[in-house]
Amino acid sequence: EDQVTQSPEALRLQEGESSSLNCSYTVSGLRGLFWYRQDPGKGPEFLFTLYSAGEEKEKERLKATLTKKESFLHITAPKPEDSATYLCAVLSGSSNTGKLIFGQGTTLQVKP
Amino acid sequence: GAVVSQHPSWVICKSGTSVKIECRSLDFQATTMFWYRQFPKQSLMLMATSNEGSKATYEQGVEKDKFLINHASLTLSTLTVTSAHPEDSSFYICSASRQGSAYEQYFGPGTRLTVT
Repeated sequence: EDQVTQSPEALRLQEGESSSLNCSYTVSGLRGLFWYRQDPGKGPEFLFTLYSAGEEKEKERLKATLTKKESFLHITAPKPEDSATYLCAVLSGSSNTGKLIFGQGTTLQVKP
Repeated sequence: GAVVSQHPSWVICKSGTSVKIECRSLDFQATTMFWYRQFPKQSLMLMATSNEGSKATYEQGVEKDKFLINHASLTLSTLTVTSAHPEDSSFYICSASRQGSAYEQYFGPGTRLTVT
């Protein structure tokens, strides 16, 4: 069964304290791994898509990496405005509808 | 690019009435649209997938007669919650996938439904 597990559930950082969020997955033929950011009371905002092991993408203080078993979202020198829930999702090779399997998310709080 | 809107952003209705939520892709044509439900502090739960001009595909456990989905055009999908009850109160979010986007989904801002 396709599955996505994110850790930790919650993470509190001081401003400037770099860290990583983990997304472990088991899927029958990965077609894509997606990272989203969600602020309270809002819809998820698309961040990155990764397709194959070894791929990396960056956007401002965020960098996403992918291996055959997991993905990391590295946050370098975070700021309070980076506080949000970060969602990871995968698209399985067995899907013909584009259905994403979401993890439970990691809620990040960055304190000034 | 890839902006998705939802209307209304919040709605309060009485038990037994129906409410319609619109989802529009503003700057692209959406080959597929998705409807999700999200409970507080939980992840997204897919309710159904729809393609323009076709019947929606509902996830297991989602009542198709209660949650009516219409995907009338490449830029508009609607979700109608029929005979709403307090347990239908939730945050409903739509997303849209565009042609050639390799299945990237772009989400709307969500609709908060409260049934009294």
